[in-house]
Amino acid sequence: DAGITQSPRHKVTETGTPVTLRCHQTENHRYMYWYRQDPGHGLRLIHYSYGVKDTDKGEVSDGYSVSRSKTEDFLLTLESATSSQTSVYFCAISVGPGDTGELFFGEGSRLTVL
Amino acid sequence: GQQVMQIPQYQHVQEGEDFTTYCNSSTTLSNIQWYKQRPGGHPVFLIQLVKSGEVKKQKRLTFQFGEAKKNSSLHITATQTTDVGTYFCAGIWDTGRRALTFGSGTRLQVQP
Repeated sequence: DAGITQSPRHKVTETGTPVTLRCHQTENHRYMYWYRQDPGHGLRLIHYSYGVKDTDKGEVSDGYSVSRSKTEDFLLTLESATSSQTSVYFCAISVGPGDTGELFFGEGSRLTVL
Repeated sequence: GQQVMQIPQYQHVQEGEDFTTYCNSSTTLSNIQWYKQRPGGHPVFLIQLVKSGEVKKQKRLTFQFGEAKKNSSLHITATQTTDVGTYFCAGIWDTGRRALTFGSGTRLQVQP
């Protein structure tokens, strides 16, 4: 168990409101990722981090921002949620060597934007 | 952009039949990984392939990486109901973004 937790696990919000999802790990892994999962699209990378304050965009980063002020926490923020951001969000950490190791995923956060 | 194409999208088999899912990249991959996601669950790592032509086995599962490192397959022999779920391949390249790009997945249904 790589000790990764996501919060909240479920959230319903309204269009235009800000939302922050938290990913917390207990084992000091350097690389952390946020993916979203939608039917027919698999998992799509939103943002990732390769260290404290070091982040980069993924393939679907528009409308999302991230922050990593501590090794253990990777926050995903939707500044103004839209219905197209209704999805299941997965945080993951790379537990292998470097940035090409296997990913260990959190349980997911289901977000519904009304 | 770099992507991995995965087929089929869905497969329904009778218990005991074999199952194969395929992934393809237009450019050479650094490595490819396979994940399984049970309904309602999160993806779980199965295996990583790194070398050209590599073949790895896990009980009834056989994973292959093509000679050109552009394609990969997962084959399950004699499926069981416990194999139900969605299987994803995920690739990473030597150039570009240093994060896994996932295929769209193959959902496997097994009829008892």
